[in-house]
Amino acid sequence: GNSVTQMEGPVTLSEEAFLTINCTYTATGYPSLFWYVQYPGEGLQLLLKATKADDKGSNKGFEATYRKETTSFHLEKGSVQVSDSAVYFCALRVRAGNNRKLIWGLGTSLAVNP
Amino acid sequence: NAGVTQTPKFRILKIGQSMTLQCTQDMNHNYMYWYRQDPGMGLKLIYYSVGAGITDKGEVPNGYNVSRSTTEDFPLRLELAAPSQTSVYFCASSGTGDTEAFFGQGTRLTVV
Repeated sequence: GNSVTQMEGPVTLSEEAFLTINCTYTATGYPSLFWYVQYPGEGLQLLLKATKADDKGSNKGFEATYRKETTSFHLEKGSVQVSDSAVYFCALRVRAGNNRKLIWGLGTSLAVNP
Repeated sequence: NAGVTQTPKFRILKIGQSMTLQCTQDMNHNYMYWYRQDPGMGLKLIYYSVGAGITDKGEVPNGYNVSRSTTEDFPLRLELAAPSQTSVYFCASSGTGDTEAFFGQGTRLTVV
């Protein structure tokens, strides 16, 4: 079946530290991969996505590369800010007819201290 | 640019009561979803819809019902509320192709 595994949180970093949140997946077919972010008290919003192998998604200084050989889509940022404190969700969607359901990881909470 | 709008934002229910969580989107999206989010448990899909008049069960549909009479609206009905339904509920929608899902702000429901 299809599944997403994220590293467990919480992750606590100091401002300007390097961030990596690991995400690996299992999927039938050729999935699209997503990172969503949830700020406190809000709904989820798309952070970045990649739709095929070797694509790199990027947004707001965050990056993730679709690695088919390692079935991974790790999220990275070179220098985090306090405002990046949030919960980050990795997700995949497999193309299968009308199926548009997303398969979600459990989320990784990030706290950035000044 | 309203996007996905959920109401209410907060609600306290007594055991056995019923209520409807409202969700409407103004992006003409065919796909709509209801999720619940419990602490440390990620998102669980309750029901989804691929278009007006078509709904299907997700991972955790028991205790809930939905309808989709229009493209815009996708209400979630709780009958006979139970403490296990205490959660944050999110409605989302997406278009065709590899487009992103847009989420509402959530409804925090407590059943006491």
